[in-house]
Amino acid sequence: DQQVKQNSPSLSVQEGRISILNCDYTNSMFDYFLWYKKYPAEGPTFLISISSIKDKNEDGRFTVFLNKSAKHLSLHIVPSQPGDSAVYFCAASGAGGTSYGKLTFGQGTILTVHP
Amino acid sequence: KAGVTQTPRYLIKTRGQQVTLSCSPISGHRSVSWYQQTPGQGLQFLFEYFSETQRNKGNFPGRFSGRQFSNSRSEMNVSTLELGDSALYLCASSDESGGLEGDTQYFGPGTRLTVL
Repeated sequence: DQQVKQNSPSLSVQEGRISILNCDYTNSMFDYFLWYKKYPAEGPTFLISISSIKDKNEDGRFTVFLNKSAKHLSLHIVPSQPGDSAVYFCAASGAGGTSYGKLTFGQGTILTVHP
Repeated sequence: KAGVTQTPRYLIKTRGQQVTLSCSPISGHRSVSWYQQTPGQGLQFLFEYFSETQRNKGNFPGRFSGRQFSNSRSEMNVSTLELGDSALYLCASSDESGGLEGDTQYFGPGTRLTVL
């Protein structure tokens, strides 16, 4: 039972355009969502997060949108740069109890930004 | 602040052996989580330690164990290695400072384990 899904295995975008990465979740107990960027053979790097009480959070070129009713979040990167090319993971955490220290990850989306 | 460090970075073992991986969290962080990344299963949660206590455990066999020391450094151990244990093992720390932002986990570079 995959509770966090990234349905697009890959995305190709031209430099300067917008990249939109999508993520869906099924567990309504999730209350904190994060996006990570990962290069091969390295650990994930934290990009941006959003709590369930918000619907938008911005940090520079990165904006995350949360639609709780649809159990959907998206990461927008504007403008996209070749250095953004990496695997992007969506992750979610729940409220206390059995969720201590546990992030549930999607399968990742490979973003390629072409010069 | 220095980031999360993991040692060793690469490890080659044979089936049946055991292995110990080490993780030093960001200074001041008391929660340490471990994950396994494989091509087929993605990033899977192994366990989490806080103040030397395991608070949460993922769905892995008992061959996978861990511990945390008083300085928050953590180790994980895999006994009786199997070929399927070949993976990137990632450690992450968070400061648990209260509020959801305290749950943000920062990852180390990982240990690449190859079991032959």
